[in-house]
Amino acid sequence: QVQLQESGPGLVKPSQTLSLTCTVSGGSISSGSYYWSWIRQPAGKGLEWIGRIYTSGSTNYNPSLKSRVTISVDTSKNQFSLKLSSVTAADTAVYYCARGSYCGGDCYSDWGQGTLVTVSS
Amino acid sequence: EIVLTQSPATLSLSPGERATLSCRASQSVSSYLAWYQQKPGQAPRLLIYDASNRATGIPARFSGSGSGTDFTLTISSLEPEDFAVYYCQQRSNWPSFGQGTKLEIK
Repeated sequence: QVQLQESGPGLVKPSQTLSLTCTVSGGSISSGSYYWSWIRQPAGKGLEWIGRIYTSGSTNYNPSLKSRVTISVDTSKNQFSLKLSSVTAADTAVYYCARGSYCGGDCYSDWGQGTLVTVSS
Repeated sequence: EIVLTQSPATLSLSPGERATLSCRASQSVSSYLAWYQQKPGQAPRLLIYDASNRATGIPARFSGSGSGTDFTLTISSLEPEDFAVYYCQQRSNWPSFGQGTKLEIK
């Protein structure tokens, strides 16, 4: 049973870069054909897909965030990461990492517990 | 961008009753629609994928139907643990989610 765990700063200043890491355990991030994704949820609101990385390293991003997002993978550490630049208060949310193991990688059966990131000075 | 509209926003029912939740897409998503359940403080849980397929371990009381722009999640007989927020998600282009339906105890 694969497990995912997000980590990173819980507080980021406006205009800075948000950086989060998702550590995968119980399986290799480079085995199988999976998409590894980031999804966020502002308090009391719905879910927003941020982007994904395939095991090959190819990426896709939400067009509304594309100019500010970078997702990368470190297979040696069994981790993948999110960087979101030029953050504002609107980027305050719980950030989840997830594995897409259904629907060709776009339905998410495995999730991290989520980590709250607050953007504030 | 494909917009998913869920209705109702809140559904008040009693255990044992049947729940019917709707999701409408702003354009056709074929059968590329999934449903998730989310409880407070928890990550979402995949229930249904590709409109009508139950994910592993999901009880048979959960069923999905629809295609094109109109989809339905049905819970045949509500258990106490089913009261939660439910989201639909499309994957026709980049993934996007509906705004959620809160299923609350009446």
